Amino acid sequence: ELKVEQNPLFLSMQEGKNYTIYCNYSTTSDRLYWYRQDPGKSLESLFVLLSNGAVKQEGRLMASLDTKARLSTLHITAAVHDLSATYFCAVDTVHSNYQLIWGAGTKLIIKP
Amino acid sequence: GAGVSQTPSNKVTEKGKYVELRCDPISGHTALYWYRQSLGQGPEFLIYFQGTGAADDSGLPNDRFFAVRPEGSVSTLKIQRTERGDSAVYLCASSPGGVAYNEQFFGPGTRLTVL
Repeated sequence: ELKVEQNPLFLSMQEGKNYTIYCNYSTTSDRLYWYRQDPGKSLESLFVLLSNGAVKQEGRLMASLDTKARLSTLHITAAVHDLSATYFCAVDTVHSNYQLIWGAGTKLIIKP
Repeated sequence: GAGVSQTPSNKVTEKGKYVELRCDPISGHTALYWYRQSLGQGPEFLIYFQGTGAADDSGLPNDRFFAVRPEGSVSTLKIQRTERGDSAVYLCASSPGGVAYNEQFFGPGTRLTVL
């Protein structure tokens, strides 16, 4: 069974701190996607990681992909309140007919 | 440019009624996806269109759910004999298509409430 697991599922942190969200997946895939969802809103694409060792950064967020470990990380640097949201990772693979397999999401709350 | 749009934004209906939810994808995107999302959960795949045809409808929960995309652009998700368990946010997404990668762009969703 294809699985995508995120860790932690809930994270409350102070502004200014650094933290990392982990995304593990159970099958070979070279393509991993990170999305953000604000409460009551739809999903916004953040990063598309297409190869082993890929690293992408946007503002205080940095995502990386290790296909050998089947692991992606989303690192938050010096968190600010505006980054409070739920973050989802997803993978697609030939085994899923290239459908996105989603993690359960990490709800991030950043306190002033 | 215009993103994915969905109408209505909210739909309240009574158990047993029929509903239609509409999705207008990004112009030129050949792939279109329907998901539903319950509170606190990730998107649950329902159906995927490549052009006019349903390439994968394995996520439709039962035969009360049906979707069409007759001209390869706008899609309609149809739910017959609605049940309270159908209450969720129904999300539509589109992507350029092909297998290079599958970044999907989501609409704002339709919140369906079945009383």
